[in-house]
Amino acid sequence: DGGITQSPKYLFRKEGQNVTLSCEQNLNHDAMYWYRQDPGQGLRLIYYSQIVNDFQKGDIAEGYSVSREKKESFPLTVTSAQKNPTAFYLCASSTGDRGPSYNSPLHFGNGTRLTVT
Amino acid sequence: GQQVMQIPQYQHVQEGEDFTTYCNSSTTLSNIQWYKQRPGGHPVFLIQLVKSGEVKKQKRLTFQFGEAKKNSSLHITATQTTDVGTYFCAGPISSGSARQLTFGSGTQLTVLP
Repeated sequence: DGGITQSPKYLFRKEGQNVTLSCEQNLNHDAMYWYRQDPGQGLRLIYYSQIVNDFQKGDIAEGYSVSREKKESFPLTVTSAQKNPTAFYLCASSTGDRGPSYNSPLHFGNGTRLTVT
Repeated sequence: GQQVMQIPQYQHVQEGEDFTTYCNSSTTLSNIQWYKQRPGGHPVFLIQLVKSGEVKKQKRLTFQFGEAKKNSSLHITATQTTDVGTYFCAGPISSGSARQLTFGSGTQLTVLP
């Protein structure tokens, strides 16, 4: 089955440590995204990539870094510079925009719940 | 900045009652998408509306896009316990050279049996 795999499901880290969240897709999608979800705040875009070897900052990129070396993979690193890293992180992919009136629907992974103490 | 606002934040209904969530944008949207997230799950795409005044139905769910393309609504008729979850609208907001989906804060629906 095609889909998006995020691992691990739960992650615990000590404050001051960097941590990398994995996201892999076998949907052959060009675009990939990282969102952060906090209670009552919906989803906020951290980074996105529309093509291999290229990525752009979203609304809340500070304290995060990404890479897109392969089409299938878009790992997210939460650095020690991120002030409030505890959150639910969602990776998504899409086929990419088809035109000015259309945005390709997002397919989400199951998410990684990160807790930093 | 440009935002997508959604109300109400929470809604409790008795099973069989109707439910509506509203989405408003500060700017005209080229399209709007709706997603559902079950408790403990991830958002799942429901539908996309593109045309002004468009109405689409999926069984008991009715989606509307306003004439000015700045607002949208999702209405569920005769709710069931399977409708429990958080419903998000999302619209494309321009950022630099790209349009990226901006999500509303969601409406968390609880259905009481």
